[in-house]
Amino acid sequence: QSALTQPASVSGSPGQSITISCTGTSSDVGGYNYVSWYQQYPGKAPKLMIYDVSNRPSGISNRFSGSKSGNTASLTISGLQAEDEADYYCNSYTSISTSVFGTGTKVTVL
Amino acid sequence: EVQLVQSGGEVKKPGESLKISCKGSRYSFSGYWIAWVRQMPGKGLEWMGIIYPDDSDTRYSPSFQGQVTISADKSTSTAYLQWSSLKASDTAIYYCTRHRAGYHKGTYYFYYMDVWGKGTAVTVSS
Repeated sequence: QSALTQPASVSGSPGQSITISCTGTSSDVGGYNYVSWYQQYPGKAPKLMIYDVSNRPSGISNRFSGSKSGNTASLTISGLQAEDEADYYCNSYTSISTSVFGTGTKVTVL
Repeated sequence: EVQLVQSGGEVKKPGESLKISCKGSRYSFSGYWIAWVRQMPGKGLEWMGIIYPDDSDTRYSPSFQGQVTISADKSTSTAYLQWSSLKASDTAIYYCTRHRAGYHKGTYYFYYMDVWGKGTAVTVSS
């Protein structure tokens, strides 16, 4: 069971939009709409940002949005702000009744 | 506020055993799955396994099967992660998290992780 593939880093200027991809297989991302995204600051616990591909928990800014096409899910951050600089991880349910994280993406605000 | 409170950091020697804990509060602990997640120094998140405290149904990621044991005591609202013989490569931060799930046609589907503990740092060094 391999980790989902994410770009190691993505950067953007304040106000811009960035998109982080999360590529899996038909046994995880492509097979189920149970993809979630987590934000993690250094030294802190992860925080849920998106669940079930495109839903935002209460209190999460609408600048964060999620989508999926085939075996690839995506997280888009619009109107990039300095506070968005963090690590982001995707996660998916798998066909062997477990869960798997992505490799993680470091977002830098230029 | 729903909380998961984890036990404190540990420093152990290779070969020693260890059991760390995660106590839930302000929700019905036995009715929600609890997962454990590893984060090695400077690395990403790894999903280790999960337990349903009400009946102790437990699943492991293939990478962690046989390497750790996950258990729970619903009477004290506490989940545990344990090792029988630690290795230096077990050095990491371990998070417990409430994993929301659904049941359909005989299968549990693990949706997302909505509540996280602050993590327990485990250092294994001779």
